[in-house]
Parts: sequence; C-alpha cells; structure tokens
Amino acid sequence: NAGVTQTPKFRVLKTGQSMTLLCAQDMNHEYMYWYRQDPGMGLRLIHYSVGEGTTAKGEVPDGYNVSRLKKQNFLLGLESAAPSQTSVYFCASSYSMAGRQPQHFGDGTRLSIL
Amino acid sequence: KQEVTQIPAALSVPEGENLVLNCSFTDSAIYNLQWFRQDPGKGLTSLLLIQSSQREQTSGRLNASLDKSSGRSTLYIAASQPGDSATYLCAAVTGVDNYGQNFVFGPGTRLSVLP
Repeated sequence: NAGVTQTPKFRVLKTGQSMTLLCAQDMNHEYMYWYRQDPGMGLRLIHYSVGEGTTAKGEVPDGYNVSRLKKQNFLLGLESAAPSQTSVYFCASSYSMAGRQPQHFGDGTRLSIL
Repeated sequence: KQEVTQIPAALSVPEGENLVLNCSFTDSAIYNLQWFRQDPGKGLTSLLLIQSSQREQTSGRLNASLDKSSGRSTLYIAASQPGDSATYLCAAVTGVDNYGQNFVFGPGTRLSVLP
C-alpha cells in the first residue's frame, strides 16, 4: 500500500546546480500537486496537473518546472537552484479536484541549497 | 487574496482534556474548508473536509465546524491522547474551476498532549 512516494527524501545542492524530484502514486489519481513548506508558513502550491500531459502554475511557480508524461508520475525540476529554494517539498495526489476530494500526501523531500 | 491564520501556534495540554484549535480565513467565498494532521517528518493526512453548505463534520473524537460569515473554523478534539500530538493545519479552498482551485493553507498549530 505505497500511496504517494517521493524520491529522494533528502538532498543537498550547491547554488546553480540542477535536480529533479520524483513523485509517484499508485492510486490511479488524475490530479497531482507539488507544494513547498517553509517554517512558520503553510504549504504553498508550486505547480499542479489535472491529468497525464497537463501542467499548470500554482501560487509560487518561479524557478521550477514540472512534467507529467505518465499518469502515475509527476516530476519537479529545479534548473538552477537558489538558496531561497531551500525547503521541504511535498507531492500530493487526488482522485478529483482537491477541493472536492481529500489529497494524499507523500512524506516530503528535504532540500537544502548551499 | 485569501489569507489563513491559525491560533494558537502551539498548544500543550494534559491527556484527557478536550481542546479547540482555531482557523480564520479572510475570504468567506470558500468552496470548502479542510483540516489536516502532520506528524514530524511526514506528509499531511486529511482529517475532515467541510463543504461550504455544511456547518460541521465529525470523525470519531474529532469535530470540525465552519462559520463562513465570520470566516472561522474550529477543530474540536475530545478526550485528547498522547497520540494526538502533531501539527494540525487547516486549508481554505476557493475559486474551484475545471482546472483546479485556490488552495490556501494556514501555518498550523503544534499540539502536544502530555501523558
């Protein structure tokens, strides 16, 4: 019963490096989301997808790109990492729009940019 | 722009107490209000979802109420247990359309239930 799996769980990058965070869900959900969580703040939506091949911008999309080539996977990319992107990143999925159905969350990726 | 706040930021209570967590939102035109639990080092777990047409939802020892006119929601936890210790977040959902929603989270209330 995997649910939503995020890899890696931890990563340290240097400024300017690039990396991709992977989110995989095995619940056949259409909707997938990427959030970031910073101390003292709630989660903020970066990008989301309403189905295979679709992506859309959330509240804080700058500096990130996403792809949804397969229904079960949602990738978040940092092309040129900046210290301001140090955060905990959460992926979530839902059967329908998150406003109508609960989201299922992964355990997060803790990313530090030096 | 929707803003969501939660008071208190942290709460410590002895086991067995009933307690109330508060969530306030600035835009009353919400689609629904959701409560989540987050354990240290983990993702969020959905607890309760209250549609805008509802006034409350219950699940076990948890009861969430919604008052759109005043921009407030409360999460009531009865007979608290040490296992309830976690951070509780609320989220207000507005502007639902075919592509998604405006999903705004509060910063959370960190609850510690002491044995």
